[in-house]
Amino acid sequence: QVQLQESGPGLVKPSQTLSLTCTVSGGSISSGSYYWSWIRQPAGKGLEWIGRIYTSGSTNYNPSLKSRVTISVDTSKNQFSLKLSSVTAADTAVYYCARAPTVKLQRDAFDIWGQGTMVTVSS
Amino acid sequence: QSVLTQPPSASGTPGQRVTISCSGSSSNIGSNTVNWYQQLPGTAPKLLIYSNNQRPSGVPDRFSGSKSGTSASLAISGLQSEDEADYYCAAWDDSLNGHVVFGGGTKLTVL
Repeated sequence: QVQLQESGPGLVKPSQTLSLTCTVSGGSISSGSYYWSWIRQPAGKGLEWIGRIYTSGSTNYNPSLKSRVTISVDTSKNQFSLKLSSVTAADTAVYYCARAPTVKLQRDAFDIWGQGTMVTVSS
Repeated sequence: QSVLTQPPSASGTPGQRVTISCSGSSSNIGSNTVNWYQQLPGTAPKLLIYSNNQRPSGVPDRFSGSKSGTSASLAISGLQSEDEADYYCAAWDDSLNGHVVFGGGTKLTVL
């Protein structure tokens, strides 16, 4: 059974770079059958898709965050990562990693999610 | 402000049928499929409906989805107390090189 687990600092200073990693267990990130995404949720608010990566390294990003986001994959460690630069208090949120099948009409159906990790931006 | 529009709240009594709407545009719902997620308090979202009207394994058939034009709906029949949660619609948006957009979420209260 595939599981996703986010990890990374829970506190980041303003203007610095937020870095998170999602470790995939119970399956191979290299299978080629899934897209791997990052999604965030500020406290009491809705979900915001940040971006996704395929095992080939190709990416798609939310246009509103694109200038600050980098998503990468490390197949040797079965992990993918998020970097968000120049953070402000508005980036404080629970960050989730999730996967979606590459099957047409399901490419944005996130069927497995990590439990989420809270990241606070504060000095 | 979310790209997809949902009512902020909905409610119903046990056994009742409730629907939650999701309105979009030609670049998202109008040309792509809609997914629905259920988020119980303090937990990660769970895929409830994919490809407009398909239920993942394990999701009760009390939950159903539909789409027409640039709008979609989630229906819950035989409402149960454990259905009290936040519900989000989502779809791929073809604009700006493509990206996923979510609705603002609907908090369902079981009275």
